[in-house]
Amino acid sequence: DTAVSQTPKYLVTQMGNDKSIKCEQNLGHDTMYWYKQDSKKFLKIMFSYNNKELIINETVPNRFSPKSPDKAHLNLHINSLELGDSAVYFCASSLGTVNEKLFFGSGTQLSVL
Amino acid sequence: AQRVTQPEKLLSVFKGAPVELKCNYSYSGSPELFWYVQYSRQRLQLLLRHISRESIKGFTADLNKGETSFHLKKPFAQEEDSAMYYCALMDTGGFKTIFGAGTRLFVKA
Repeated sequence: DTAVSQTPKYLVTQMGNDKSIKCEQNLGHDTMYWYKQDSKKFLKIMFSYNNKELIINETVPNRFSPKSPDKAHLNLHINSLELGDSAVYFCASSLGTVNEKLFFGSGTQLSVL
Repeated sequence: AQRVTQPEKLLSVFKGAPVELKCNYSYSGSPELFWYVQYSRQRLQLLLRHISRESIKGFTADLNKGETSFHLKKPFAQEEDSAMYYCALMDTGGFKTIFGAGTRLFVKA
């Protein structure tokens, strides 16, 4: 059973399109995150949700809109895709927020052409 | 500002040699530090965290508050240790974990 699963694994699309990435965790965790890994492998947090509530938005453009319908899901919708959005997007979850390790999904490689 | 610095992008060692991956942090409070590893074609996973003071796959890391460092060490590197290693700091008040830029370790036969 995959603990944190995200789909799709690969996403290739044209500039200006709108796309979504889905994430689900079956660990019963309260907190979920989206991270972006750029071409230099630098991992940067985008959003953090705790019990479906947005806690952190790390100055991400409004074109990115996360949605958490319940504790187990955190989806990422991206409007008007730009070339610079090309990256690997990782979903993660943790039980809580104090000294809790992150469990990562396998990543979604987004390529904007 | 909170920051995690890994000065080496790439580290190449021979099998059996000691390895040390450097990590320095900047944090005003009491830090919670982790090392994560990403093996080829696998997801990012926790290697170890400072609070549990454990040794995983022969790796250890000691928190040095004076030098604000959390270097990862292994006395004898193995080929299967080749991977991307990330040092990370958990912001205890802010619901987020901040990662360093990562160090790619190559262990040569």
